[in-house]
Formats: sequence, structure tokens, C-alpha cells
Amino acid sequence: KQEVTQIPAALSVPEGENLVLNCSFTDSAIYNLQWFRQDPGKGLTSLLLIQSSQREQTSGRLNASLDKSSGRSTLYIAASQPGDSATYLCAVFSGGSNYKLTFGKGTLLTVNP
Amino acid sequence: KAGVTQTPRYLIKTRGQQVTLSCSPISGHRSVSWYQQTPGQGLQFLFEYFSETQRNKGNFPGRFSGRQFSNSRSEMNVSTLELGDSALYLCASSLLGLSGANVLTFGAGSRLTVL
Repeated sequence: KQEVTQIPAALSVPEGENLVLNCSFTDSAIYNLQWFRQDPGKGLTSLLLIQSSQREQTSGRLNASLDKSSGRSTLYIAASQPGDSATYLCAVFSGGSNYKLTFGKGTLLTVNP
Repeated sequence: KAGVTQTPRYLIKTRGQQVTLSCSPISGHRSVSWYQQTPGQGLQFLFEYFSETQRNKGNFPGRFSGRQFSNSRSEMNVSTLELGDSALYLCASSLLGLSGANVLTFGAGSRLTVL
């Protein structure tokens, strides 16, 4: 059974700081991994999708890496801004014919002005 | 283009009742997947529909069911509501479905409170 863990559960940083969010998964036989952000009371917004054959993806100030063999992914946010404050979730797609998307519980990020 | 629309946004039910939630995907998307989000369990996959067929389902009891129509709109139904069913229910649409490794677009969710 796939389990996804995100550390830390919460993180507070001053504006402008670079930061790293971590995601680990127990079954390395994944198809892809996605990072999402969720603002309070709202749905999820997809940030980056990394295929199992890829090592990283970049979008603007965001960079996500994937190390399948160690069961880890990181989301790097450069020059953080107050608008980056949200909950960040990673989700792993795995399971063969009985596939499903398994989410971590998220990291609550607060960027202080 | 219009995003994913979920209705209703908020609803209150009592134990034993049943509820139907609706999700209209992005035009052209054939896959709709459903998720339950609670503070304790986080986000959990319920099921996915693609071209009116259920492709897969998560570990939820049979009280949770769904369907998809020919226009790709999807509904999920929860019968005999329990207090523990109180949650934010999210749906997501995608062009090729979960197995197609494409980006998911989520709706804003339907917040269900069971009293």
C-alpha cells in the first residue's frame, strides 16, 4: 500500500527566503508525481507534474525533483513571496491495474512580509 | 475556458439522509475523478470515471457511488449519511485520465456537513 509523507507539516519563513518542501513515498513503482497548492477553503491548483522517467521539472520560481529509487521528491521555491502562502500537497500515481492517486497531508507554508 | 464547476458549494444534511454532488469538467475533458478531504485523513481518492465508465475506485464503502453522463458531467452520491462523511468533496477533470499522466484541474469543492 502506497503511503506518502510530507515534512515539515508547517513552515514559516520571511519573505525572500529560498525553501524546500519534502515528500517521501513508500512504493517506488510510481507512474508520476504531482505537486499542488491549496488555498484555504479552495480546490487544488496543479504546480508541477514529474513523470517517473524524469528527474526534475521547473516552472518559474518552482523546481521539483524526483528520486524514485529513494522514494523522495522535493519542491524548491526560490525567493518566496507572501502570495506563496498556502498548503502544498504532493500526490503519487501508482498501483498498476488498481491504480490510484495517493496524497500526502501537506505542508502549510506561511511567508511573512 | 471555463474551469471545473462543482455544485452545490455548501450543504448540510442529517444522519441517514442521502446526498448528490455534481461536477462539470472542463469542456473536452473525458475524465472526472472524485476525492474526499478531511482534517484527519487528508485527501483520499474515491473513484474515477472516463467516458461514462468507472475506471477505478478507492477504499470506500458501497454507500459512495457515482456516475458519469454522456456530456462528461459526473455526479457522486452518498447514501445513509454518517457523521464521519462530513468533508470537502473535490472533483478533478483531465483530458486523458489519471493513467494518462496529465495535469488535473480541480473544482472548488462541495463542503458537506452531516449533523
